[in-house]
Amino acid sequence: EIVLTQSPGTLSLSPGERATLSCRASQSVTSSSLAWYQQKPGQAPRLLIYGASSRATGIPDRFSGSGSGTDFTLSISRLEPEDFAVYYCQQYGGSPLTFGGGTKVEIK
Amino acid sequence: QVQLVESGGGVVQPGGSLRLSCAASGFTFSSYAMFWVRQAPGKGLEWVALIRYNGNDKYYADSVKGRFTISRDNSKNTLYLQMNSLRPEDTAVYYCVKTSTSGWSGDYWGQGTLVTVSS
Repeated sequence: EIVLTQSPGTLSLSPGERATLSCRASQSVTSSSLAWYQQKPGQAPRLLIYGASSRATGIPDRFSGSGSGTDFTLSISRLEPEDFAVYYCQQYGGSPLTFGGGTKVEIK
Repeated sequence: QVQLVESGGGVVQPGGSLRLSCAASGFTFSSYAMFWVRQAPGKGLEWVALIRYNGNDKYYADSVKGRFTISRDNSKNTLYLQMNSLRPEDTAVYYCVKTSTSGWSGDYWGQGTLVTVSS
């Protein structure tokens, strides 16, 4: 099983600042099968990034993903008020699918 | 537009059973793998099970293997999760998820249904 470790656990930033979230895998993720999701309180998760770096439909270009192998990054170039939420990475290269523990981006 | 509507959640005693359903619309259901994800109160996301588009292959998390069964009826555009021998640690919101065209990421999620296992 591939274990995903997200860091930091909490990121305190102000609107307009840049956010950089990390997701590290315990072994190489097949074919960059890595996704990022955003979840707000009381809502279902929303797909942001798939294939490590491709934005999902309707996702603003301030969100970007990068990385390969075992190290992946989600960047938000300039935080908007609606971006404060919890973010999860997921690998889907094979079974079992696994999620990271999440990073909470909160308003400083 | 894609819609996934879960139902069947509720309160059940330890050792009991529940069957969750997910009614899908707005896409060709029979062309996509589907999966279930759960989220315990205040916790992160946990993948539960996945079924391929034609139902021929099914995969389970170790935590539910042998107790839960994923299935689908492509004629009814419906995904199911049969949950037996339920434990308090199965208490969670259960989400139905459609896979994308680019692998097993989840591009559409239902609103979730709450399962509470308690005596």
